[in-house]
Amino acid sequence: AQKITQTQPGMFVQEKEAVTLDCTYDTSDPSYGLFWYKQPSSGEMIFLIYQGSYDQQNATEGRYSLNFQKARKSANLVISASQLGDSAMYFCAMREGQQGGSEKLVFGKGTKLTVNP
Amino acid sequence: DTGVSQNPRHKITKRGQNVTFRCDPISEHNRLYWYRQTLGQGPEFLTYFQNEAQLEKSRLLSDRFSAERPKGSFSTLEIQRTEQGDSAMYLCASSSGQDAAEKLFFGSGTQLSVL
Repeated sequence: AQKITQTQPGMFVQEKEAVTLDCTYDTSDPSYGLFWYKQPSSGEMIFLIYQGSYDQQNATEGRYSLNFQKARKSANLVISASQLGDSAMYFCAMREGQQGGSEKLVFGKGTKLTVNP
Repeated sequence: DTGVSQNPRHKITKRGQNVTFRCDPISEHNRLYWYRQTLGQGPEFLTYFQNEAQLEKSRLLSDRFSAERPKGSFSTLEIQRTEQGDSAMYLCASSSGQDAAEKLFFGSGTQLSVL
Protein backbone atom coordinates (compact mmCIF):
# COMPACT_ATOMS: atom_id res chain seq x y z
CA ALA A 1 0.00 0.00 0.00
CA GLN A 2 1.24 3.46 -0.85
CA LYS A 3 2.30 5.21 2.31
CA ILE A 4 2.58 8.76 1.00
CA THR A 5 0.11 10.15 -1.53
CA GLN A 6 0.54 13.43 -3.32
CA THR A 7 -2.44 13.86 -5.60
CA GLN A 8 -1.33 17.02 -7.39
CA PRO A 9 1.16 16.29 -10.16
CA GLY A 10 1.45 20.00 -10.89
CA MET A 11 0.39 23.27 -9.33
CA PHE A 12 0.54 26.85 -10.54
CA VAL A 13 0.57 29.96 -8.37
CA GLN A 14 1.03 33.65 -8.97
CA GLU A 15 4.02 35.32 -7.42
CA LYS A 16 3.31 36.67 -3.92
CA GLU A 17 0.26 34.45 -3.44
CA ALA A 18 -0.03 31.49 -1.07
CA VAL A 19 -0.24 27.89 -2.25
CA THR A 20 -1.09 24.60 -0.54
CA LEU A 21 0.49 21.33 -1.59
CA ASP A 22 -1.41 18.24 -0.47
CA CYS A 23 -0.02 15.16 1.24
CA THR A 24 -1.80 12.24 2.85
CA TYR A 25 -0.09 9.34 4.55
CA ASP A 26 -0.82 5.89 5.81
CA THR A 27 0.71 4.29 8.88
CA SER A 28 -0.33 2.20 11.84
CA ASP A 29 2.66 3.31 13.89
CA PRO A 30 1.65 5.89 16.53
CA SER A 31 5.11 7.46 16.34
CA TYR A 32 6.17 8.94 13.04
CA GLY A 33 7.63 12.02 11.45
CA LEU A 34 6.58 13.90 8.37
CA PHE A 35 8.96 15.88 6.18
CA TRP A 36 8.74 18.15 3.19
CA TYR A 37 11.64 18.49 0.75
CA LYS A 38 12.15 20.77 -2.23
CA GLN A 39 14.01 19.56 -5.31
CA PRO A 40 14.99 22.28 -7.78
CA SER A 41 16.17 21.41 -11.27
CA SER A 42 19.73 21.06 -9.94
CA GLY A 43 18.62 17.81 -8.31
CA GLU A 44 19.58 18.37 -4.68
CA MET A 45 16.87 17.65 -2.12
CA ILE A 46 16.47 20.56 0.29
CA PHE A 47 14.80 20.07 3.67
CA LEU A 48 11.94 22.49 4.31
CA ILE A 49 9.95 21.47 7.38
CA TYR A 50 9.31 18.65 9.86
CA GLN A 51 6.23 17.61 11.87
CA GLY A 52 6.29 14.93 14.55
CA SER A 53 3.21 12.85 15.21
CA TYR A 54 3.12 13.94 18.84
CA ASP A 55 3.72 17.61 18.16
CA GLN A 56 0.83 19.67 19.47
CA GLN A 57 1.29 22.61 17.17
CA ASN A 58 1.66 22.84 13.42
CA ALA A 59 5.26 23.32 12.33
CA THR A 60 6.38 26.58 10.78
CA GLU A 61 9.67 27.55 9.13
CA GLY A 62 9.69 31.05 7.68
CA ARG A 63 7.31 31.11 4.71
CA TYR A 64 6.59 27.40 5.09
CA SER A 65 3.96 25.96 7.38
CA LEU A 66 2.56 22.50 7.73
CA ASN A 67 -1.18 22.00 8.10
CA PHE A 68 -1.16 18.78 10.12
CA GLN A 69 -4.53 17.04 10.51
CA LYS A 70 -3.76 13.82 12.33
CA ALA A 71 -7.24 12.33 12.22
CA ARG A 72 -7.35 12.80 8.47
CA LYS A 73 -3.74 11.67 8.10
CA SER A 74 -2.87 14.71 6.10
CA ALA A 75 0.19 16.97 6.22
CA ASN A 76 -0.26 19.71 3.68
CA LEU A 77 2.51 22.22 2.99
CA VAL A 78 1.54 25.88 2.81
CA ILE A 79 3.91 28.29 1.12
CA SER A 80 3.07 31.92 1.73
CA ALA A 81 4.10 34.85 -0.46
CA SER A 82 5.37 32.64 -3.30
CA GLN A 83 8.58 33.63 -5.03
CA LEU A 84 9.87 32.73 -8.48
CA GLY A 85 12.61 30.70 -6.80
CA ASP A 86 9.98 28.45 -5.24
CA SER A 87 9.42 26.79 -8.62
CA ALA A 88 10.56 23.20 -8.06
CA MET A 89 9.41 19.69 -7.23
CA TYR A 90 8.11 19.25 -3.71
CA PHE A 91 8.15 15.90 -1.94
CA CYS A 92 6.34 14.79 1.18
CA ALA A 93 8.03 12.01 3.14
CA MET A 94 7.46 9.97 6.28
CA ARG A 95 9.70 8.16 8.73
CA GLU A 96 7.97 5.65 10.97
CA GLY A 97 8.90 5.45 14.62
CA GLN A 98 11.60 3.41 16.22
CA GLN A 99 9.07 0.80 17.21
CA GLY A 100 9.06 -0.22 13.56
CA GLY A 101 12.82 -0.16 13.51
CA SER A 102 13.24 1.53 10.14
CA GLU A 103 15.43 4.54 9.51
CA LYS A 104 14.26 5.14 6.00
CA LEU A 105 12.19 7.98 4.65
CA VAL A 106 9.34 6.99 2.35
CA PHE A 107 8.64 9.63 -0.27
CA GLY A 108 5.58 10.53 -2.30
CA LYS A 109 5.71 11.07 -6.06
CA GLY A 110 5.97 14.79 -5.69
CA THR A 111 4.22 17.91 -6.90
CA LYS A 112 5.74 20.23 -9.47
CA LEU A 113 5.14 23.83 -8.43
CA THR A 114 5.40 26.62 -10.96
CA VAL A 115 5.36 30.22 -9.76
CA ASN A 116 4.25 32.67 -12.42
CA PRO A 117 5.39 36.31 -12.42
CA ASP B 1 31.73 22.35 5.34
CA THR B 2 30.52 21.93 1.77
CA GLY B 3 27.69 19.51 2.41
CA VAL B 4 27.21 16.05 0.95
CA SER B 5 29.37 15.47 -2.11
CA GLN B 6 28.70 12.87 -4.79
CA ASN B 7 30.91 11.81 -7.67
CA PRO B 8 30.59 11.56 -10.55
CA ARG B 9 27.63 13.83 -11.35
CA HIS B 10 26.90 11.91 -14.52
CA LYS B 11 27.81 8.42 -15.67
CA ILE B 12 27.06 6.84 -19.02
CA THR B 13 27.80 3.16 -19.37
CA LYS B 14 27.00 0.24 -21.59
CA ARG B 15 24.77 -2.55 -20.43
CA GLY B 16 26.73 -5.24 -18.64
CA GLN B 17 29.45 -2.94 -17.36
CA ASN B 18 30.14 -2.30 -13.69
CA VAL B 19 29.89 1.19 -12.22
CA THR B 20 30.85 2.67 -8.86
CA PHE B 21 29.63 5.87 -7.26
CA ARG B 22 31.13 7.69 -4.34
CA CYS B 23 29.50 9.72 -1.58
CA ASP B 24 31.26 11.94 0.95
CA PRO B 25 28.86 12.84 3.75
CA ILE B 26 29.02 15.85 6.03
CA SER B 27 32.04 15.12 8.17
CA GLU B 28 30.40 14.82 11.58
CA HIS B 29 27.45 12.76 10.35
CA ASN B 30 27.50 9.10 11.34
CA ARG B 31 24.44 8.07 9.30
CA LEU B 32 24.54 7.66 5.55
CA TYR B 33 21.77 6.71 3.15
CA TRP B 34 21.48 5.77 -0.51
CA TYR B 35 18.33 6.44 -2.49
CA ARG B 36 17.39 5.92 -6.12
CA GLN B 37 15.10 8.27 -8.03
CA THR B 38 13.61 7.57 -11.43
CA LEU B 39 11.92 10.13 -13.64
CA GLY B 40 8.60 11.30 -12.24
CA GLN B 41 9.01 9.47 -8.94
CA GLY B 42 10.12 10.31 -5.47
CA PRO B 43 13.36 8.89 -4.09
CA GLU B 44 13.28 5.22 -3.09
CA PHE B 45 15.33 3.97 -0.18
CA LEU B 46 18.16 1.56 -1.00
CA THR B 47 20.33 1.20 2.08
CA TYR B 48 21.47 2.82 5.33
CA PHE B 49 24.72 2.86 7.29
CA GLN B 50 25.41 3.88 10.82
CA ASN B 51 29.14 4.44 10.94
CA GLU B 52 30.61 1.50 9.01
CA ALA B 53 27.74 -0.88 9.70
CA GLN B 54 25.14 -1.44 7.00
CA LEU B 55 21.98 -1.69 9.11
CA GLU B 56 19.18 -1.74 6.59
CA LYS B 57 18.79 -2.78 2.97
CA SER B 58 15.78 -2.47 0.71
CA ARG B 59 14.46 -5.36 -1.29
CA LEU B 60 15.14 -3.08 -4.26
CA LEU B 61 18.82 -3.70 -3.65
CA SER B 62 19.42 -6.79 -5.77
CA ASP B 63 22.56 -8.88 -5.48
CA ARG B 64 24.07 -6.82 -8.29
CA PHE B 65 24.17 -3.84 -5.94
CA SER B 66 26.67 -3.52 -3.14
CA ALA B 67 27.40 -0.63 -0.84
CA GLU B 68 30.25 -0.09 1.54
CA ARG B 69 31.30 2.49 4.04
CA PRO B 70 34.80 1.64 5.19
CA LYS B 71 35.89 3.39 8.37
CA GLY B 72 32.52 5.06 8.61
CA SER B 73 33.46 7.96 6.36
CA PHE B 74 32.79 8.00 2.61
CA SER B 75 30.61 5.39 0.98
CA THR B 76 30.61 3.65 -2.38
CA LEU B 77 27.72 2.12 -4.27
CA GLU B 78 28.65 -0.43 -6.92
CA ILE B 79 26.33 -1.84 -9.55
CA GLN B 80 27.56 -4.94 -11.34
CA ARG B 81 26.38 -6.05 -14.78
CA THR B 82 24.31 -2.92 -15.27
CA GLU B 83 20.91 -3.14 -16.92
CA GLN B 84 18.89 -0.45 -18.67
CA GLY B 85 16.48 -0.48 -15.75
CA ASP B 86 19.27 0.75 -13.51
CA SER B 87 19.16 4.12 -15.25
CA ALA B 88 18.24 6.59 -12.53
CA MET B 89 19.51 9.33 -10.24
CA TYR B 90 21.36 7.88 -7.26
CA LEU B 91 21.13 10.13 -4.25
CA CYS B 92 23.22 10.01 -1.10
CA ALA B 93 22.19 11.61 2.17
CA SER B 94 23.63 11.92 5.64
CA SER B 95 22.43 12.82 9.11
CA SER B 96 23.70 12.89 12.66
CA GLY B 97 20.61 12.74 14.83
CA GLN B 98 19.28 10.25 17.28
CA ASP B 99 15.58 10.86 16.90
CA ALA B 100 12.94 10.84 14.22
CA ALA B 101 13.12 14.62 13.80
CA GLU B 102 16.60 14.54 12.34
CA LYS B 103 16.59 15.78 8.79
CA LEU B 104 18.59 14.25 6.00
CA PHE B 105 21.06 16.33 4.03
CA PHE B 106 21.20 15.22 0.40
CA GLY B 107 23.88 15.45 -2.23
CA SER B 108 23.18 16.50 -5.80
CA GLY B 109 23.16 12.90 -6.97
CA THR B 110 24.78 10.81 -9.67
CA GLN B 111 22.75 10.46 -12.84
CA LEU B 112 23.32 7.02 -14.36
CA SER B 113 22.43 6.25 -17.96
CA VAL B 114 22.76 2.66 -19.13
CA LEU B 115 22.80 2.30 -22.91
